[in-house]
Amino acid sequence: QSVLTQPPSVSAAPGQKVTISCSGSSSNIGNNYVSWYQQFPGTAPRLLVYDNDKRPSGIPDRFSGSKSGTSATLGITGLQTGDEADYFCAIGDPSLSRWVFGGGTKLTVL
Amino acid sequence: EVHLLESGGELVQPGGSLRLSCAASGLTFHKYAMNWVRQAPGKGLEWVSSINGNGGDTYYADSVKGRFTISRDNSKNTAYLQMNSLRADDTAIYYCATDPYGFRYFDFWGQGMLVTVSS
Repeated sequence: QSVLTQPPSVSAAPGQKVTISCSGSSSNIGNNYVSWYQQFPGTAPRLLVYDNDKRPSGIPDRFSGSKSGTSATLGITGLQTGDEADYFCAIGDPSLSRWVFGGGTKLTVL
Repeated sequence: EVHLLESGGELVQPGGSLRLSCAASGLTFHKYAMNWVRQAPGKGLEWVSSINGNGGDTYYADSVKGRFTISRDNSKNTAYLQMNSLRADDTAIYYCATDPYGFRYFDFWGQGMLVTVSS
């Protein structure tokens, strides 16, 4: 049972928009940066969003992150079948010297 | 281009030991915290351990504290994870990952390697 709660699955049609939530508390999300990772089956995770809302170079602007209070959200617009993957949120907490991950959300593009 | 290459994963009996290595290239190694993250079959990601850039500070998840030891050799651009007293629930794919600041984000990941603990 993770301290960061994500929906197990979300789905949407190609071309549509989907959001994936990551719910925590004031002690984790509230005080730290959120990052998001994309993982295709059988491959390593890839950084999608860091510092709540920043994208690494090479990540399309269809992917966006936001944070408000004790929740964070990953948004994906213009869905493509190639976006089908698992998505994880994560918090690095320097004060507690630990990392926590959300349980992950499986995205299906119908 | 950054590359992280893990090695050392294999089948080991319960109670046994294993040392994983993560060789890095394409980055200024000592400027990055190094981390190990694992994923049990069909499960989510679990942080295992972190070490800062100069190797002076190490951190562990409660599930591995006292059994695993993280280290690094900056002259070889390599991080290690010594795993002792292995249990069946340590069975997972182990990934190494870099973090440019420490407890901020994982910007580069290795391809992962499977560690199986079974008799």
